[in-house]
Formats: sequence, structure tokens, C-alpha cells
Amino acid sequence: IVLTQSPGTLSLSPGERATLSCRASQSVSSTYLAWYQQRSGQAPRLLIYGASSRATGIPDRFSGSESGTDFTLTISRLEPEDFAVYYCQQSDSSPWTFGQGTKVEIK
Amino acid sequence: QVQLVQSGAEVKKPGASVKVSCKASGYTFTSYDINWVRQATGQGLEWMGWMNPNSGHTGYTQKFQGRVTMTRSTSINTAYMELSSLRSEDTAVYYCARSGSYRGLNSYWGQGTLVTVSS
Repeated sequence: IVLTQSPGTLSLSPGERATLSCRASQSVSSTYLAWYQQRSGQAPRLLIYGASSRATGIPDRFSGSESGTDFTLTISRLEPEDFAVYYCQQSDSSPWTFGQGTKVEIK
Repeated sequence: QVQLVQSGAEVKKPGASVKVSCKASGYTFTSYDINWVRQATGQGLEWMGWMNPNSGHTGYTQKFQGRVTMTRSTSINTAYMELSSLRSEDTAVYYCARSGSYRGLNSYWGQGTLVTVSS
């Protein structure tokens, strides 16, 4: 399953809303869709699992949703520490795959 | 707290093998799969495979079949990933990650191990 993330880069200011998209090439059960954040020079961190459940310790400004084969990660108000690269990942069908990433950068 | 601590950076010649370790603490090691993911410099994340520390069962992405071996030592709560026949394209940061509430979920990550393949 190919996961296509868009846009490739999102240029926004702190306090703005970010909407990131992840489209699957075929059906993916929402149970097996996750989002990760990777800050520069760091390991990825789990944000969202099961398409919409926040991982432990993740602020509620992060939310995930699903509509068919389209999945969305929304950051309601960007904080300085949210500027990073975000990846979606599916583990519904082997081989498990990641999207290519969306970079959220400071405008 | 859950921690995964990986071994240090490696430099290898083409054709050699590398073995990366991942020491787990803060939870019952045999209760969760260990997954391996790699990332070439400036690139995205690439799934390599998984291992069940309880049974030793493994699953590898086809791309790495025949070249990767994932093992564990339950006595010291450590998982290993060995990659053979290294080529320059294998230069990357290799991450171990502990699974979570469902298969393939990477709930906790190690800090990464840089493997450089160069003649």
C-alpha cells in the first residue's frame, strides 16, 4: 500500500492551524493507521494511533481523522516545537509502509 | 519508563555485515514486538521487519529478505538486527521501536544507530 502525503512542505506561522493529508492507494483499516513526528536530529515519536487516538502525553492540539482512504492530521494551533516532519504509517497490509513525510516549517 | 538504548555508530566496508543492538528496559521485554526501521540521510522512514521476543518469530520486508536477521537475548532484554552484504545504499540511521496496542505500531523508539558503508 502506497501512502501519499500532501503537501510536501507546509509553511505556517506559530498559532496557525496545520492540516496534513495522507492518502492510501487502497483501503486501510483506520485501526492500523498512525502518525509520527520527527524533529530535526531526533528519532520519530508516536503522535496518533488508530487514526484518531492520541498517544500518551500528546497535547490535545493534535488530532487525527479519517474519511475513506484519506487520513488527516490536524494541529489546531502551532507551537514552536511543532515545526518538524510528520509521517503517516499503515500496518494493515504487509509490507507495512510509511508516507514520504510532510515538513511543517516556520513561515 | 520505557527505554530502548541502541549500540553506537558503525563504519563498514562494502560486502561486510553489521549487527545493531537494542537494549530494552521499563517493561516486560517478551510482551511486545520489536520493529526495525531505517532512514537514509535526508530521506523518509523505511520499514525493515519485526521480531517477537517471546517466540523469536520474525517477519522481514521482501526488500531485505536474505540479508537481514533479527534475533534476541531474553536474558539481557536485548534485540539485534544484523544486515549482511552491505552496500553504500545501506548507509542510514537504523532504529528499533517497540510495538504497542496493535501490530506494526511503533510506540517507543530507540535513539538510532548510524551505519556508514564506505570503502
